[in-house]
Amino acid sequence: EPEVTQTPSHQVTQMGQEVILRCVPISNHLYFYWYRQILGQKVEFLVSFYNNEISEKSEIFDDQFSVERPDGSNFTLKIRSTKLEDSAMYFCASGGVTGESKNIQYFGAGTRLSVL
Amino acid sequence: AQKVTQAQTEISVVEKEDVTLDCVYETRDTTYYLFWYKQPPSGELVFLIRRNSFDEQNEISGRYSWNFQKSTSSFNFTITASQVVDSAVYFCALTLYNQGGKLIFGQGTELSVKP
Repeated sequence: EPEVTQTPSHQVTQMGQEVILRCVPISNHLYFYWYRQILGQKVEFLVSFYNNEISEKSEIFDDQFSVERPDGSNFTLKIRSTKLEDSAMYFCASGGVTGESKNIQYFGAGTRLSVL
Repeated sequence: AQKVTQAQTEISVVEKEDVTLDCVYETRDTTYYLFWYKQPPSGELVFLIRRNSFDEQNEISGRYSWNFQKSTSSFNFTITASQVVDSAVYFCALTLYNQGGKLIFGQGTELSVKP
């Protein structure tokens, strides 16, 4: 069964460093998303991406964040200068456009980001 | 603005008990989708069900059933004869009907099923 894959599963970084979180969405999906979940809290939307551009972003997604689909298969989230409060689980999701999977978002296993 | 509320933070039951997880949503839009996702201790988010606002028919899948009532803006989830493997955090979520819209999640309900 197709799935969303995320790497790495755990990233440890020093405050102020740049990190790139990587995702490979399901191959025939056209909508891509990043969400984050601070430990013990709910899942929060960061950004959605369609047709090679951001379609929506939340207040959390400030200038420190950027997304890219560099090669038609990967979808990346970059945090330019990490802060302690960026420590969270980051989930990538992709959404289908037709058939049974239309409007359903399928999630990867997440990347746990720890900022020290 | 849309909002999803899961008032039950934690529920603990003994195996084989039935349990219902509550979800109440708010939206001014008339067309939307509702979802349930499961987050087991391993951390991933697993899609369970999607329901659109046009279809108030209840759904049953094995031991799982969902009760959607527009009149009370609720989309409750019942697990019959719970098992230890059902232990997880369960999230209810809402998205508007437009293609590609973001998911708005509730706070989640942590279900613990004890043997």
